[in-house]
Amino acid sequence: DAMVIQNPRYQVTQFGKPVTLSCSQTLNHNVMYWYQQKSSQAPKLLFHYYDKDFNNEADTPDNFQSRRPNTSFCFLDIRSPGLGDAAMYLCATSTFRETQYFGPGTRLLVL
Amino acid sequence: GNSVTQMEGPVTLSEEAFLTINCTYTATGYPSLFWYVQYPGEGLQLLLKATKADDKGSNKGFEATYRKETTSFHLEKGSVQVSDSAVYFCALKPTGNQFYFGTGTSLTVIP
Repeated sequence: DAMVIQNPRYQVTQFGKPVTLSCSQTLNHNVMYWYQQKSSQAPKLLFHYYDKDFNNEADTPDNFQSRRPNTSFCFLDIRSPGLGDAAMYLCATSTFRETQYFGPGTRLLVL
Repeated sequence: GNSVTQMEGPVTLSEEAFLTINCTYTATGYPSLFWYVQYPGEGLQLLLKATKADDKGSNKGFEATYRKETTSFHLEKGSVQVSDSAVYFCALKPTGNQFYFGTGTSLTVIP
């Protein structure tokens, strides 16, 4: 089945130690999104790619970076995780102006 | 600007009760409207959508009608089940790639 895959499902990292979360899709969608979701809150958009065009939200901290080497893959890099970055990170895809499909998420724990 | 206002939770209902979760929006242009559901520890799943005024989205017994005159997209289900317990997010997508989410409404259905 076509889908959005996120690995790993759970990630534990140490305070200040860089971490990378990955997302892949078999839907061949040209838009990919990264959201941060903290407990009992709505997903907060960090950035999205429309093809190779990168769109950063104004309030996304510089600590968060992203790479999209090809249509299928997108990575979220957190350069120096702090305790406040512990959250669920959701990847999603869509075609232009169409429905957004989410992966299962990666729960990040910062020790 | 674009925003979604969603009914505050949590909501607790008995099995077979009628469910309404209110959602209103402000948007420029003619947005598409969505309801997503999130089960514990998982990503968001599309529940239903509507892309133009007076459209009714439906899935798994849930329904919502796109009401442009009242800028609303209320979610309803005639008879809820324990398995419907989850968090429900209303979302809109105006022209462009960005989605706007409501704050989510937690639903618990008790036997």
